[in-house]
Amino acid sequence: GQNIDQPTEMTATEGAIVQINCTYQTSGFNGLFWYQQHAGEAPTFLSYNVLDGLEEKGRFSSFLSRSKGYSYLLLKELQMKDSASYLCAPLDSNYQLIWGAGTKLIIKP
Amino acid sequence: DAGVTQSPTHLIKTRGQQVTLRCSPKSGHDTVSWYQQALGQGPQFIFQYYEEEERQRGNFPDRFSGHQFPNYSSELNVNALLLGDSALYLCASSSGQSEQYFGPGTRLTVT
Repeated sequence: GQNIDQPTEMTATEGAIVQINCTYQTSGFNGLFWYQQHAGEAPTFLSYNVLDGLEEKGRFSSFLSRSKGYSYLLLKELQMKDSASYLCAPLDSNYQLIWGAGTKLIIKP
Repeated sequence: DAGVTQSPTHLIKTRGQQVTLRCSPKSGHDTVSWYQQALGQGPQFIFQYYEEEERQRGNFPDRFSGHQFPNYSSELNVNALLLGDSALYLCASSSGQSEQYFGPGTRLTVT
């Protein structure tokens, strides 16, 4: 079957760095997306990885290891507005996004 | 450039009724996907439309149906509503299989 595994909840301090891990099992693989979702709002696109390695975009970076079925999202210089859920979503062989429940990130002052 | 729009924003229906939700994709996008998201859960894929046809379908009953129009806008129809259909319904558009952009969603409450 297809499966996504992320921590349910994480807590970090404003100004710090946090890494959100994701392991996945899919039927085929065509890349992996990370989305941010604030409570009551729609998900917004953060990053896309299709090749192994690190993709950096401002304060956010995303890493992929296809052989390990593993990805992480790294958030630097945390701000209070970064409090949200972070969803890891790989693309399977049918180009269908497979979603987990996401990681709720709580930022404390 | 308008992003993905959805209507209505909120909707309250009673069990057994039918509902139609609407979505207009981002300009330049030809593919529309629909998702159901329960509180505290990730989105669940309902189906995807491309060139006015259903290209893929998730594990949802036939009560859930859809349509895509020549201008790429789309509708989601749900018949014989159940209490368990209460959720946030998200529409996402993309150009082919590129990243999906989500609309604000329609919050459906079934009583």
